[in-house]
Amino acid sequence: ELKVEQNPLFLSMQEGKNYTIYCNYSTTSDRLYWYRQDPGKSLESLFVLLSNGAVKQEGRLMASLDTKARLSTLHITAAVHDLSATYFCAVTNAGKSTFGDGTTLTVKP
Amino acid sequence: EAGVAQSPRYKIIEKRQSVAFWCNPISGHATLYWYQQILGQGPKLLIQFQNNGVVDDSQLPKDRFSAERLKGVDSTLKIQPAKLEDSAVYLCASSLAGGVTDTQYFGPGTRLTVL
Repeated sequence: ELKVEQNPLFLSMQEGKNYTIYCNYSTTSDRLYWYRQDPGKSLESLFVLLSNGAVKQEGRLMASLDTKARLSTLHITAAVHDLSATYFCAVTNAGKSTFGDGTTLTVKP
Repeated sequence: EAGVAQSPRYKIIEKRQSVAFWCNPISGHATLYWYQQILGQGPKLLIQFQNNGVVDDSQLPKDRFSAERLKGVDSTLKIQPAKLEDSAVYLCASSLAGGVTDTQYFGPGTRLTVL
């Protein structure tokens, strides 16, 4: 059974600081997604990572994938309040997606 | 382009009652997913359809949950009878073909409270 573990589960950071969220998974995967969820809202796809060494960047967020370590990271650069949300990674194997429990990020002024 | 539509947005029922949720995917999307998201957890896949056929329903509690997608477009998810632990947000998502590079697009969800 594929297991996906995110850490930390809660993260409070100040504006302007950098931080990294980690996503570990237990078996091989076809692809890895990062999603954002605002309170009371649905999930929005941020990145899809397909191969070892893949790196994608959008604004202050950068995601990377190390398939050998079964690890993905979501790096936040110079955080701003608008990035406050819950971030999920999801690993897909044989067409089935398994989600982590999410990292709730709060960016404080 | 219209997104994934779901209704109702909120539902409160008592345990042992029945409830049904509806989802209309993005036009042209062959694959439809139903997820259950319990507060504080990530979404858990309940069932995946490819057109009107079931691809995966391994985590669907079949003694009380059922889902159909009769014409390969919209879908309904039913719970009968509901239990307290069914309180959750039920998310519907769709993707173009369910392939390796497919992105899932999520609807706004239905928040179910079972009293």
